[in-house]
Amino acid sequence: QKEVEQNSGPLSVPEGAIASLNCTYSDRGSQSFFWYRQYSGKSPELIMFIYSNGDKEDGRFTAQLNKASQYVSLLIRDSQPSDSATYLCAIRYSSASKIIFGSGTRLSIRP
Amino acid sequence: DGGITQSPKYLFRKEGQNVTLSCEQNLNHDAMYWYRQDPGQGLRLIYYSQIVNDFQKGDIAEGYSVSREKKESFPLTVTSAQKNPTAFYLCASSIDAGGRSTDTQYFGPGTRLTVL
Repeated sequence: QKEVEQNSGPLSVPEGAIASLNCTYSDRGSQSFFWYRQYSGKSPELIMFIYSNGDKEDGRFTAQLNKASQYVSLLIRDSQPSDSATYLCAIRYSSASKIIFGSGTRLSIRP
Repeated sequence: DGGITQSPKYLFRKEGQNVTLSCEQNLNHDAMYWYRQDPGQGLRLIYYSQIVNDFQKGDIAEGYSVSREKKESFPLTVTSAQKNPTAFYLCASSIDAGGRSTDTQYFGPGTRLTVL
């Protein structure tokens, strides 16, 4: 059983709309949660992390964490064509250096 | 300029050859990691190191070897025992190997390895 699940997509969203990306995980001992963006052929770059239940906002991005339901989401407001990329969800379990990555969701913003 | 560098960007290997991928960081990070990414897949951990002269196997260590003789450097050798080495290899580092919740991994630009 995969430990971090993401819908592979592609998720197609019109420019200017809100893109919603979801990630579920299986281990209740998960401690912190990361969202990375990866453009085709490039390395992942960190968008934001969250470790407390609730919402965390950074510019056009909002991460939402619900530990009881074991999911974490990333919302992208006012989507731009430059947001078209694969978004990787990653999770660190308690007292561990290792991070487990999901397989990513491909997002396409259509003009 | 602080950051993580990987070389080469592209690498071609004949079957049966060992090759070494370089990873260097000047961020003064304690922990370093090697991942492998196959097309349409997430990242899978090969090896990681929390301190100099120490490293641990990740989920797919077979056919790979590493060393950590200096804090700044964490080279990965892909041996001939690795049956399907064609992939995108990513090196990452993080400040604190102690597993603090906010500790974040930052990635180098990657090396694309192709076996001919």
